[in-house]
Amino acid sequence: DADVTQTPRNRITKTGKRIMLECSQTKGHDRMYWYRQDPGLGLRLIYYSFDVKDINKGEISDGYSVSRQAQAKFSLSLESAIPNQTALYFCATTAGGKGTEAFFGQGTRLTVV
Amino acid sequence: AQSVTQLGSHVSVSEGALVLLRCNYSSSVPPYLFWYVQYPNQGLQLLLKYTSAATLVKGINGFEAEFKKSETSFHLTKPSAHMSDAAEYFCAVSPMNTGFQKLVFGTGTRLLVSP
Repeated sequence: DADVTQTPRNRITKTGKRIMLECSQTKGHDRMYWYRQDPGLGLRLIYYSFDVKDINKGEISDGYSVSRQAQAKFSLSLESAIPNQTALYFCATTAGGKGTEAFFGQGTRLTVV
Repeated sequence: AQSVTQLGSHVSVSEGALVLLRCNYSSSVPPYLFWYVQYPNQGLQLLLKYTSAATLVKGINGFEAEFKKSETSFHLTKPSAHMSDAAEYFCAVSPMNTGFQKLVFGTGTRLLVSP
C-alpha cells in the first residue's frame, strides 16, 4: 500500500460545485501539505498543517479550505469550484525536523468545466 | 525568502549521453536542497538531497548533484541516460534555520530520452 493515498485520482466537476479531495498517510508523520501543480509553474503550496490543531495558509490559499480530521487525514475543499482551479493536486507529508524528505501521494487530477 | 530557478523546461538527450539538469537557488540563509522526480501519472519521489554533510550528493538511479555555494547552484547529473529516466525533475529548497519543512519548488524540467 502507498504511504500517502489520495482520493479521487481523477475528478471532473462543474463550476460552482463544492468538491473535497481527501488524503491519508501511513507514515505516522505530524506534518501534512497540499500542493497544486500547473504546467510551467511547478508545485505551489496551498495549505500546510503542523498537527491536528495547527493549520496554516500557503502561498495560494484563496478559494480553498482544509480540514485535518486526524493525524493521518488531511482534506482539501473547493467551496465553489472555478475553471482556473483545474490542476493536479498533491498531498504530502514530512516528519518533524529539518531537511527531512517529503512523501507525496499520486495526485488528484481535477478538471472544472 | 528563497526561490529556485530551473533553466530549461525541456532537455533532450540520447540514450547513453550525459544528463545535466540545472538548478540555481536564492536563499538568505543556508538551504537544504532537493531533487525530486515525477514519472508519468505518479507523485514526486525523492532523488537526492543536500543537507550540508557533503557537497557532492549521490542519489538513486545513478544520479548525483553538486552543491556549489559560490555559484548558488545544485545541478543534477547522470553520466549515461537510460530510457527509463524520461520524467519531469524538480529542484526544491528549504531553509536550514527553520524547523518547518516548507519546500519551495522550481518550475520543473522535463527530460526526454531518445533511442
